[in-house]
Amino acid sequence: EDKVVQSPLSLVVHEGDTVTLNCSYEVTNFRSLLWYKQEKKAPTFLFMLTSSGIEKKSGRLSSILDKKELFSILNITATQTGDSAVYLCAVGAQKLVFGQGTRLTINP
Amino acid sequence: DTGVSQDPRHKITKRGQNVTFRCDPISEHNRLYWYRQTLGQGPEFLTYFQNEAQLEKSRLLSDRFSAERPKGSFSTLEIQRTEQGDSAMYLCASSYTSGRTNSGANVLTFGAGSRLTVL
Repeated sequence: EDKVVQSPLSLVVHEGDTVTLNCSYEVTNFRSLLWYKQEKKAPTFLFMLTSSGIEKKSGRLSSILDKKELFSILNITATQTGDSAVYLCAVGAQKLVFGQGTRLTINP
Repeated sequence: DTGVSQDPRHKITKRGQNVTFRCDPISEHNRLYWYRQTLGQGPEFLTYFQNEAQLEKSRLLSDRFSAERPKGSFSTLEIQRTEQGDSAMYLCASSYTSGRTNSGANVLTFGAGSRLTVL
């Protein structure tokens, strides 16, 4: 059965800090890894990664995939209070299997 | 098109009652997914459709749950004889993929969810 494990489960930092969120996975047939941000409602898409070693960037957020070691990281630099959310990692193709999420809290 | 719409947003019901949720996907999307999310957990896959065909159902989906997408557009998820353990957020998502056995990646767009509380 496909499995996704995220760590840490919860993280509290001060505004301006840099954070790294981790996602490891075990899947029978890897197609892609996706990161979503979930505030109070719908998860919103951040990144999709399919190739090892290629960093995806969007502003202060970046992510990279290591298909050999079966993990991905999501980095957020110069964090802001608006980055407070649950960050979800998912793997799959036709359907996505999600991890438990990392709850990130940014204190002013 | 304003994205994936779900209705109702909140539903409180008594144990044993039936409930139905509706999802309207993004109009160009041919795939529609239902997920369930409980507090502190990531979304869990329930079922998905390509057009009107239900292609996969999770073993989490007991015989009290049924989902339909009769015309390949909106979908309904019905829960019969609700139990307290059914209390959760029910998320709908949609995507567009070409071909039945898509080998590529699949970015899902989620709705805001329907929160069910069973008393």
